[in-house]
Amino acid sequence: LAKTTQPISMDSYEGQEVNITCSHNNIATNDYITWYQQFPSQGPRFIIQGYKTKVTNEVASLFIPADRKSSTLSLPRVSLSDTAVYYCLVGDIGSGGYNKLIFGAGTRLAVHP
Amino acid sequence: DTGVSQNPRHKITKRGQNVTFRCDPISEHNRLYWYRQTLGQGPEFLTYFQNEAQLEKSRLLSDRFSAERPKGSFSTLEIQRTEQGDSAMYLCASSFVLGSDNEQFFGPGTRLTVL
Repeated sequence: LAKTTQPISMDSYEGQEVNITCSHNNIATNDYITWYQQFPSQGPRFIIQGYKTKVTNEVASLFIPADRKSSTLSLPRVSLSDTAVYYCLVGDIGSGGYNKLIFGAGTRLAVHP
Repeated sequence: DTGVSQNPRHKITKRGQNVTFRCDPISEHNRLYWYRQTLGQGPEFLTYFQNEAQLEKSRLLSDRFSAERPKGSFSTLEIQRTEQGDSAMYLCASSFVLGSDNEQFFGPGTRLTVL
């Protein structure tokens, strides 16, 4: 699976938009980009997945430029409960999806009052 | 609760003892995964099952580790002769593979402390 690079930590305040960028220079043609969120003492939770351009769901948006060498997770108007670690993963979900997820260290987002 | 459950949630043991963890996946999920997570790091893949077949094992899974999923439902992860380096959170996840849809749902984990 392609290696990813993302900031170790970020700080924000309630009500602000937070953008977390992930670099994946070696992404392959068949690779998808997936983001997971993890709260302390819990397992990771799927947030969003995309292949190109823009994907939006009720939680977040994912922006992927044409060259797909990076992606940006956008969290609108964060609250204290968005304080968590966010992981960017890249891989070929293919037929049958990922066989395993390869996590990096993630980005620790701290939202302040 | 229809999510992935893991038992026990916490386990403290002495070095050299054997421990066994259980994972109950979401009903009808055909894939089950085990991961290990140490403090400040992301989860690391250990192994996964499709139904009762163990299809892949990480090199992290030493001979002291064994996982089973005998009836294609719940799974157990056993660690023999525990070492202090085994202290970690052990996470289980499950998914239902259909085409390219393979969202993995994680349980709350079992935190192991080896004294």
